[in-house]
Amino acid sequence: DTEVTQTPKHLVMGMTNKKSLKCEQHMGHRAMYWYKQKAKKPPELMFVYSYEKLSINESVPSRFSPECPNSSLLNLHLHALQPEDSALYLCASSSGGAVWNEQFFGPGTRLTVL
Amino acid sequence: LAKTTQPISMDSYEGQEVNITCSHNNIATNDYITWYQQFPSQGPRFIIQGYKTKVTNEVASLFIPADRKSSTLSLPRVSLSDTAVYYCLVGDSRSGYALNFGKGTSLLVTP
Repeated sequence: DTEVTQTPKHLVMGMTNKKSLKCEQHMGHRAMYWYKQKAKKPPELMFVYSYEKLSINESVPSRFSPECPNSSLLNLHLHALQPEDSALYLCASSSGGAVWNEQFFGPGTRLTVL
Repeated sequence: LAKTTQPISMDSYEGQEVNITCSHNNIATNDYITWYQQFPSQGPRFIIQGYKTKVTNEVASLFIPADRKSSTLSLPRVSLSDTAVYYCLVGDSRSGYALNFGKGTSLLVTP
């Protein structure tokens, strides 16, 4: 299985809601990533987990809270988001964190904050 | 933090070879160069990766000169389905990860 799955595909939430995005991979990868992508812009790195520990947080606001319950699963908990947080949220994984490791991306969750 | 520079957009006709050049003047000695392809509303997809000279796979070739300050992705005989955004990445010397996407090159292939 060489696939990264993300659920849900689409999410609409109000600014007071709490929701979670889920990402799963069964390739035995030990690094997982969250990216945010606005329309017609490149993906922006948010978080990196390596061996289930948070290794990079790119100064992301605390209303985004990542969680890595196990080596196959990555969550992104959302709370009190703003309309400008509307974007495509991409999850990726790689076999390790080194610069030569290919990242496998999921299809993304399209988030709309009202 | 290595920075990459690519053309914003390129146009090509079907069947032609397309070469997209990426400039990475500050690439570190141990950095690899990685290219991704992205279609609208999909996650990026790995195309090719190299360290020096030339790398070829079933979809593309990657040419890297000796000074490694640039690289060229070559797509042979493009088709309409190659219309996408192409990103060049190099490693981040701070983290060791190749995770910083530049602005990318939007390739449009027409009949």
